[in-house]
Amino acid sequence: DAKTTQPNSMESNEEEPVHLPCNHSTISGTDYIHWYRQLPSQGPEYVIHGLTSNVNNRMASLAIAEDRKSSTLILHRATLRDAAVYYCILSSSPSGSARQLTFGSGTQLTVLP
Amino acid sequence: DAGVIQSPRHEVTEMGQEVTLRCKPISGHNSLFWYRQTMMRGLELLIYFNNNVPIDDSGMPEDRFSAKMPNASFSTLKIQPSEPRDSAVYFCASSPTRSHEAFFGQGTRLTVV
Repeated sequence: DAKTTQPNSMESNEEEPVHLPCNHSTISGTDYIHWYRQLPSQGPEYVIHGLTSNVNNRMASLAIAEDRKSSTLILHRATLRDAAVYYCILSSSPSGSARQLTFGSGTQLTVLP
Repeated sequence: DAGVIQSPRHEVTEMGQEVTLRCKPISGHNSLFWYRQTMMRGLELLIYFNNNVPIDDSGMPEDRFSAKMPNASFSTLKIQPSEPRDSAVYFCASSPTRSHEAFFGQGTRLTVV
């Protein structure tokens, strides 16, 4: 699987937007970009995914660079409950197989009141 | 749906004992994954099943670990004999095949003393 690089930690103020970067310079054409987050003492939770176009859902937005070598997860208004480790994961799914996720070390997001 | 259900939530056992972790995936999900999380190694994929069949067990650390999925609604991860280095949080996740979203359980915190 292609590797991703994320900052170890980031801080944000409550109710401000947060931009979490991810570099994936060796991404292949079939790799989707996934974001998961893990709140303290919980299992990982799906946030969003995309392939080439920017994506929005109720939790966040995903901005993908035109060359797909980087992406940014955007939380529009951070809350204290958004404090978590955020993982950027690349995954492709050969026909008929399940989608395996290889987690890196992620970015620890701290939200300040 | 109650989500992915893991039991027990906490397990403390003595070195050399057999440990069995249990997982009930979300009904209708064809894929099931077992992960292990430690501070040193982060989240590691141990094994995944598709339609109850083990597809990739290359992440299973050694022969002391075994996993089964006798039917679509139940899976076990067994460690025999257990060792202190097996202490970790073990997560089970399920997903519809080729879906981009995996659903994780709350995990089992295993302590081997």
